[in-house]
Parts: sequence; structure tokens; C-alpha cells
Amino acid sequence: EAQVTQNPRYLITVTGKKLTVTCSQNMNHEYMSWYRQDPGLGLRQIYYSMNVEVTDKGDVPEGYKVSRKEKRNFPLILESPSPNQTSLYFCASSHRSGRGINEQFFGPGTRLTVL
Amino acid sequence: AQSVTQPDIHITVSEGASLELRCNYSYGATPYLFWYVQSPGQGLQLLLKYFSGDTLVQGIKGFEAEFKRSQSSFNLRKPSVHWSDAAEYFCAVGAGWNSGGSNYKLTFGKGTLLTVNP
Repeated sequence: EAQVTQNPRYLITVTGKKLTVTCSQNMNHEYMSWYRQDPGLGLRQIYYSMNVEVTDKGDVPEGYKVSRKEKRNFPLILESPSPNQTSLYFCASSHRSGRGINEQFFGPGTRLTVL
Repeated sequence: AQSVTQPDIHITVSEGASLELRCNYSYGATPYLFWYVQSPGQGLQLLLKYFSGDTLVQGIKGFEAEFKRSQSSFNLRKPSVHWSDAAEYFCAVGAGWNSGGSNYKLTFGKGTLLTVNP
């Protein structure tokens, strides 16, 4: 089954404790992206990756890191989480189209709470 | 910079009534446009997309949307709403074909929450 998986689905942590949220897709997609969703703000893009070893900032990259060492994986790293990073996080992937953005397939989400 | 405005934060309709959710976008070149739906506690599912061609686009679950370049709009419609359509709906805009391939950001609106009364 074609899908985007995220782990963990739920995470409660404390300020300053480094964490990683994993994202994996099995559709051989070149493009992957991370979003955060907050009430009243919709989805905001954190980082995206056009292909292996190619990443770029989205609209709200502060406090986050990503890496793309393999095509299928795109982990999101919070080196020193703070309470304002409490949010619902979505990973997404799509084929890269030379003509522009393409439809994205979303993972189920990771609900993160930072105390 | 690209942006999306969904003017209605919350809409309530009766089951069987027609529905129109508004979306206005700002983008300097030809946009690619999307509507996604998010049911409570779920991820996002693509309803439909517009890349080019016919400005009236058909999607899943009986939804359609019309691209109006002159109004910078991409409104979502459904002739008869079902109780299962209650969800949050997001419009999104991204770089289109003549963007030069340099902008692969997808920008979402803040969403419209749809409530369906029996």
C-alpha cells in the first residue's frame, strides 16, 4: 500500500530534550516536506526537500532541522524543543514535476507536546 | 510571495443543501491549486487539483471547483452536502508550470470548518 508513515504518532516531552520525528514514504517520491498545523493558522511549511541531500527552508524553519540521506526518509529534528513547538506535524511527499508543484500525499500526523 | 485566503472560518449548512467554500490566492505566475479535506483526527486528503486546461475541475466525493483567473479565486462547490462532509477544508497554492521550477513551496489557507446540520 502506497503510504507516508510517521513515528511517533504522539509524543510528550520536556523543554530542551532533543527529539526526532521520522517520516518514510514507499512511493519513490523525490519531493518531501514537513508542515506544522496550529489552530487558526492552517498548515505552515517548515522544510522541504527536492531530492536526496537537497533541502530548503519553508515558512517557519526556526528551531527545526532536517536531513535527506535516503530518498524514502525525511526526519524532522528538534535539537532543543520549546513549548511554542507544541503542534500537530505532518509529513508529505510527491513526485517532483519539472513543471511545478505536484499533489502531495500526507502522513497521519504527529501530535507533539512540549512541556 | 504566494498566499491563500479562505474568508470563511466556519460555515454551517443543512444536509442536502448546496455548498460553496471560497478561496482567493495571490501568486505572480500561473498557479497550481489544490483543495484538501481533513476529517477530525485525520490527515489530509486531496479532493481535487487544478494545473491547467478546463477551469472547472471535478474531484472526489462529488466536489468540484472553478478556477477564475480574473478573480484570483478557486472556489469549492458541492450541490448537495452529506453529513459525512463535515470536516475542515484547506485550499492551497503552489508554483505552476512557468515558475522555472525554482519554487516548490505549497502554501495553505487557514482552513474553513464545515458543520452539517441534520
